[in-house]
Amino acid sequence: QQQVRQSPQSLTVWEGETAILNCSYENSAFDYFPWYQQFPGEGPALLISILSVSDKKEDGRFTIFFNKREKKLSLHIADSQPGDSATYFCAALGTGGYKVVFGSGTRLLVSP
Amino acid sequence: EAAVTQSPRNKVAVTGGKVTLSCNQTNNHNNMYWYRQDTGHGLRLIHYSYGAGSTEKGDIPDGYKASRPSQENFSLILELATPSQTSVYFCASGGTIANSDYTFGSGTRLLVI
Repeated sequence: QQQVRQSPQSLTVWEGETAILNCSYENSAFDYFPWYQQFPGEGPALLISILSVSDKKEDGRFTIFFNKREKKLSLHIADSQPGDSATYFCAALGTGGYKVVFGSGTRLLVSP
Repeated sequence: EAAVTQSPRNKVAVTGGKVTLSCNQTNNHNNMYWYRQDTGHGLRLIHYSYGAGSTEKGDIPDGYKASRPSQENFSLILELATPSQTSVYFCASGGTIANSDYTFGSGTRLLVI
């Protein structure tokens, strides 16, 4: 079963626009949500993360919005740059857990 | 600098052959993981380990074995490789609340012909 779902599967935005990547989850026990960024030919790397006690986390142009009641979160990439073109994975981990659960990813293309 | 190193980077294997993928980490993380990545499936967990001597089945363990001889090393073994195991394999370390962020290796691209 897919506990973490991402949408859209792929997304194209123009340079300078805000890209919005969506994520939802099923398990109420999840309380930590990292986002990973993966460039072609490389392994995923941690981009930004949020704990379920927060509803927003910012790091430069990257912002996570979190809605615990609806079990949804989103990653906003402001002023998108061609260098942001990558696959983004939403993930989730529960308290005391050892296994991060990954979504299937959103492939982002930023056109100049 | 702490890192996860995978070898080989690319591998071509014949059907029915044995393949061993290696992973070394310098993060001093207790937990290590093997994933495969296929288009449309994202990252799927094959095996993981809590520490030296331990291996646990992940979500898709069939056809794979794992070995964790030390804190630093974690291997994935395909005893009888099949074309369906053609994929990109990633090793990662980390993943507990104490060090809850994964560090991934650069991947091994495996082609089974």
